[in-house]
Amino acid sequence: NAGVTQTPKFQVLKTGQSMTLQCAQDMNHEYMSWYRQDPGMGLRLIHYSVGAGITDQGEVPNGYNVSRSTTEDFPLRLLSAAPSQTSVYFCASSTPADGGFGYTFGSGTRLTVV
Amino acid sequence: KQEVTQIPAALSVPEGENLVLNCSFTDSAIYNLQWFRQDPGKGLTSLLLIQSSQREQTSGRLNASLDKSSGRSTLYIAASQPGDSATYLCAVSTGDDKIIFGKGTRLHILP
Repeated sequence: NAGVTQTPKFQVLKTGQSMTLQCAQDMNHEYMSWYRQDPGMGLRLIHYSVGAGITDQGEVPNGYNVSRSTTEDFPLRLLSAAPSQTSVYFCASSTPADGGFGYTFGSGTRLTVV
Repeated sequence: KQEVTQIPAALSVPEGENLVLNCSFTDSAIYNLQWFRQDPGKGLTSLLLIQSSQREQTSGRLNASLDKSSGRSTLYIAASQPGDSATYLCAVSTGDDKIIFGKGTRLHILP
């Protein structure tokens, strides 16, 4: 039972480059979300999805795109990387079916933009 | 707007002591509250999930309580050990498919 899998674990990008952070879950969870974690700021929601084909913006969506073509996958795309996007990114999934929206997190992707 | 506050931001206690971490939230209309642990450079591990209809949850040496009316939750750790050193995060779900996190309490257990 892998839970939530994020790849890559580490990434260095140059300003202006684009890339996709991958997130996959094998628990058949309906809800998936992306957070970024920055020192002093805590965890902030970027985008979330309540099911395949449905996505919505969180607190800090600018500069990021998401899509949800399957229940299992929820990739996060950085369109044109900026130093301000240097952060640790976490993907999470949840379902109401297990007693109420308990969240499972991936191990994170540490991104540095130079 | 829901806000979650954790006090203290950091805490150091000698091994063996019992301790309490605090979490407060501004809007009592929550769906549930979840406590997480995060080790340095690692992801979040769920410790306890309390539904809005519950008052507490227990797992081993951990006990979490919830008082919705006062907007407070506590995480009680009994007989602390050096392995308990980590950052503890409190998060509330408002039922709109998102959770709001506090900034965490960094706990250091002194051997």
